[in-house]
Amino acid sequence: DIQMTQSPSSLSASVGDRVTITCQASQDIYNYLNWYQQKPGKAPKLLISDTSNLKRGVPSRFSGSGSGTDFTFTISSLHPEDIATYYCEQYDSLPFTFGPGTTVAIK
Amino acid sequence: EVQLVESGGGLVQPGGSLRLSCAASGFSFSSYWMHWVRQVPGKGLVWVSRINSDGTSTSQADAVKGRFTISRDNAKNTVYLQMNSLRVEDTAVYYCARDYQFGSGTFDNWGQGTLVTVSS
Repeated sequence: DIQMTQSPSSLSASVGDRVTITCQASQDIYNYLNWYQQKPGKAPKLLISDTSNLKRGVPSRFSGSGSGTDFTFTISSLHPEDIATYYCEQYDSLPFTFGPGTTVAIK
Repeated sequence: EVQLVESGGGLVQPGGSLRLSCAASGFSFSSYWMHWVRQVPGKGLVWVSRINSDGTSTSQADAVKGRFTISRDNAKNTVYLQMNSLRVEDTAVYYCARDYQFGSGTFDNWGQGTLVTVSS
């Protein structure tokens, strides 16, 4: 199975700050990486597919980059409604696996 | 609007069985692969199983292989997860999710989840 790691596990930032989360795969997954946002008590929501493709309707302050084993998720300017846990997910091979999540809080 | 509504969760004893349902609406259900993903409360997401659009091909995670069976009824726009020989470690919120593209593993729509508690 492909193991996914994320860092940091949690962060606290001010409104307007740039926030960066990294995700690393245990082997090359090309660009087969997605990012999901999960707010407390809610189902996950797809934000970014194929490493960098923003889902329609998702604000442009969210972005993703990377390839191979190392990926980055960025919120260019943190909004209060971005408080959530963010998960990366690889879909290069079964079983599909998720990172452990990064919880974003407001400072 | 795409809607996925899970049901069937509840409290069951270890060794017991439960069948989850996920009713879909707002899209052409028979054209999409579907998945089940679970999440222990307060923990991360774990993929469980997937089924292709006509129900002829399925895959499962090793942790549930031989115990859980995914199926679908395209006439009823519903996907199911039959869970047998349940264990305490199967306790989780179970989400059904639509696959964006032919079983690729991109989950573009999720249900609200149904909680399964396995406890004596």
